[in-house]
Amino acid sequence: KNQVEQSPQSLIILEGKNCTLQCNYTVSPFSNLRWYKQDTGRGPVSLTIMTFSENTKSNGRYTATLDADTKQSSLHITASQLSDSASYICVVSDRGSTLGRLYFGRGTQLTVWP
Amino acid sequence: EADIYQTPRYLVIGTGKKITLECSQTMGHDKMYWYQQDPGMELHLIHYSYGVNSTEKGDLSSESTVSRIRTEHFPLTLESARPSHTSQYLCASSETSGGPVAKNIQYFGAGTRLSVL
Repeated sequence: KNQVEQSPQSLIILEGKNCTLQCNYTVSPFSNLRWYKQDTGRGPVSLTIMTFSENTKSNGRYTATLDADTKQSSLHITASQLSDSASYICVVSDRGSTLGRLYFGRGTQLTVWP
Repeated sequence: EADIYQTPRYLVIGTGKKITLECSQTMGHDKMYWYQQDPGMELHLIHYSYGVNSTEKGDLSSESTVSRIRTEHFPLTLESARPSHTSQYLCASSETSGGPVAKNIQYFGAGTRLSVL
């Protein structure tokens, strides 16, 4: 069964600290993996997207890694800011259909305290 | 900021009413999607469209219907709202699928939070 599991479910850190969010998936055949940021009451916004051949990609203070062999990804946030408080969703796309089926994790709810 | 708009942002309505959730995008994307998301849960695809006059049901069974008469417009309709329909509905669009990864990114609207009393 194609699944995307994220951990931790929620995380509280102090402003300025770093943190790492985890994503494990069983989606096959694999096409790409995306990390989205979803602010409360808003739609998700894409942070990074990685294909099978890419093992790291950065977007400002966000760095995503991908290990396609172990089917794991992480999102590292450096020098956290209050505006980083949001849900971070891991999304995996398969190659099994023209649509490029997306499998969503439940997200990690990150809260940054001052 | 993606050019995809959903209205209304919030809707509180009584059981049995007919409602239409609007979704419009100005990016010229051919693919459009509707997702349903409950608090703390993952997004579930309920409808999608490859282009004009194309609509398909997603993975999660839904009593809603959609139409795609124009490229930029993908409204979702509930003929008779029930409390079980209470949820957040997110609309998304993408340029293509199966092609270059960068063009397969889905851009989401801000969502409509529906409450059926």
